Amino acid sequence: GAGVSQTPSNKVTEKGKYVELRCDPISGHTALYWYRQSLGQGPEFLIYFQGTGAADDSGLPNDRFFAVRPEGSVSTLKIQRTERGDSAVYLCASANGPTVEQFFGPGTRLTVL
Amino acid sequence: DAKTTQPPSMDCAEGRAANLPCNHSTISGNEYVYWYRQIHSQGPQYIIHGLKNNETNEMASLIITEDRKSSTLILPHATLRDTAVYYCIVRVLNTNAGKSTFGDGTTLTVKP
Repeated sequence: GAGVSQTPSNKVTEKGKYVELRCDPISGHTALYWYRQSLGQGPEFLIYFQGTGAADDSGLPNDRFFAVRPEGSVSTLKIQRTERGDSAVYLCASANGPTVEQFFGPGTRLTVL
Repeated sequence: DAKTTQPPSMDCAEGRAANLPCNHSTISGNEYVYWYRQIHSQGPQYIIHGLKNNETNEMASLIITEDRKSSTLILPHATLRDTAVYYCIVRVLNTNAGKSTFGDGTTLTVKP
């Protein structure tokens, strides 16, 4: 079956703009995660959804970052007033529950000029 | 989640076993050890996990010391396609603590 998909694969934007990154999890997976990965570093946790609700948003760096999952499937990560420091690969993962293996998507490479 | 320590890089000859160590001396009783790997430009891929017993699957074996303060991931016959960054993670398992805390991992280079 299809894995986790993320769109767009690449996004280039200008400082101060708003961006939305989309994640389509594996069908039926209740848990969904967003991570951010800078060059040469491991993924950094941002937010975790169990169903429609954010069970843990402790990794969101500030209030410019927001994520939704209104129907418990697709999720959108929203970044307002982008800054050059937001440039990274944004990874989404899904799991069939919070305690089992996470399946990662290929990521969206965000570049803020 | 407990912190893990891994060597930044390792080399392995093709066809030989690759043994990747991980220290997790502050692991608590309800934390599992997970291993993921990330091949260049792809998302991380799950390899294996365990609590205290040694585990084996089609990809690798996981050896956890009796005191659970360290573990070793073993790739029995490394191939060039096993070149990747390998992450060791410890995770609390309950319904509200699903996140994984990744370190910087070990870059394994398999050489012909």
